[in-house]
Amino acid sequence: QKEVEQDPGPLSVPEGAIVSLNCTYSNSAFQYFMWYRQYSRKGPELLMYTYSSGNKEDGRFTAQVDKSSKYISLFIRDSQPSDSATYLCAMSLGGFYGNNRLAFGKGNQVVVIP
Amino acid sequence: GAGVSQSPSNKVTEKGKDVELRCDPISGHTALYWYRQRLGQGLEFLIYFQGNSAPDKSGLPSDRFSAERTGESVSTLTIQRTQQEDSAVYLCASSLSGDLRNEQFFGPGTRLTVL
Repeated sequence: QKEVEQDPGPLSVPEGAIVSLNCTYSNSAFQYFMWYRQYSRKGPELLMYTYSSGNKEDGRFTAQVDKSSKYISLFIRDSQPSDSATYLCAMSLGGFYGNNRLAFGKGNQVVVIP
Repeated sequence: GAGVSQSPSNKVTEKGKDVELRCDPISGHTALYWYRQRLGQGLEFLIYFQGNSAPDKSGLPSDRFSAERTGESVSTLTIQRTQQEDSAVYLCASSLSGDLRNEQFFGPGTRLTVL
C-alpha cells in the first residue's frame, strides 16, 4: 500500500464550478498536510498548508484534514481558467530538524474550461 | 530574491552514459532535497542534505545514483550507466532548517530522457 493515494484521473470543469480533490494516506504519524500546485514544465509551489486535523481557508481555496479517517481534501470555489494545473497532495512527519521528506500523491490534472 | 535553480533544464542521453544534474538552493537554506517525478507517478524522495551532516540516502533507487553537496550550497545528482527507467523529471527543493512548517521551495526540474 502506498503511503499516499490520490486518484490521478484528470478533471475538467466549467469556469465558476467547485473543484473537489482528495487524498488518503496510511501513515498515522503524518502531522503536516499540504497541497502543491504545479503548472506544466514548472516545479510544484505550495498552495495550502494545514497542521493536524481541521479546516483552513485562503480566498477561494479550502483545505480539510480528517486525521481519524486519514483523508484530506482541497476545494476550489469559483474556479478560474488560471487554476488549470496539476494539484499534488503532500504530507510530512514535521519537526524542527531531521529529514522532513514529503510524501506525495500522484496528482490531479485540473482543466477549467472558460 | 532568486529561487531554486536547476541545470540543465533538459537532458537527453544514451543508455549507459553518466549524467550530472545541478541544483542551486535558495541562499541560507540549509536543507536540500532531491525528488524524482516519473510520468504518471507522484514525486519520490531520493536524498536529503542538512548542513554538514551525513546525507539521508534512503530514497536512492540503486547504487548507480549518488549525490553531493558542497557545504550549504550547490548540490549535484549523478546517475551512472543510465537506464531507460531513469527517464523522469528530477526536482530539487530547499528549506530553512528549524522551520517546523518545512515549506520546501522547488526548482523547475531537469527533464532527463534516456534513449
